[in-house]
Amino acid sequence: SYELTQPPSVSVSPGQTASITCSGDKLGDKFASWYQQKPGQSPVLVIYQDTKRPSGIPERFSGSNSGNTATLTISGTQAMDEADYYCQAWDSSNNYVFGTGTKVTVL
Amino acid sequence: EVQLVESGGGLVQPGGSLRLSCAASGFTFSRYWMHWVRQAPGKGLVWVSRIKSDETIRSYVDSVRGRFTISRDNAKNTLYLQMNSLRPDDTAVYYCARVGLSDALDIWGQGTMVTVSS
Repeated sequence: SYELTQPPSVSVSPGQTASITCSGDKLGDKFASWYQQKPGQSPVLVIYQDTKRPSGIPERFSGSNSGNTATLTISGTQAMDEADYYCQAWDSSNNYVFGTGTKVTVL
Repeated sequence: EVQLVESGGGLVQPGGSLRLSCAASGFTFSRYWMHWVRQAPGKGLVWVSRIKSDETIRSYVDSVRGRFTISRDNAKNTLYLQMNSLRPDDTAVYYCARVGLSDALDIWGQGTMVTVSS
């Protein structure tokens, strides 16, 4: 089965840049999406098709995807960005797969 | 307002059954693929199942195949998940989600909790 691996946690100071990686075999050949989930809330789509932001998502969120790694970057991180982040792609059967999740802490 | 509202969760004994519902509003439900995603307490997101707009394609994660059945009623704007032979490791919050922007899950419900325990 297809697996997507993320670091369990990332810490960042306010105003600095946070980078969250998502690793999977030939992930760059697929589209990656990213979801933000705050405690007690439902996930929210923040990046789709590797680099695109849905309406209402701040410009400080950006994405890239190449080789075996997709990356979500949060520039000028704010306290409100503290959350769990999940990458998502598709396996060979076009079933959805989520990454293991990364907890972002804004210190 | 585009909205998904799940219902039907609760406490059930191992081996029991439960049917979850997801009521859609604010968009043309019949045009969209729909999914179920679950999250065990303190754990990550796990994709469970998907169904095409016209019900011609359904798929499941290995751990629920043969026990869970996804369906929809486009006339009632409602998605369902019939869960049979429930096990303690099925305990989770179950979310329904819409496939929108370039196959990403762009709208999520608030979730419904399913607890499998004796």
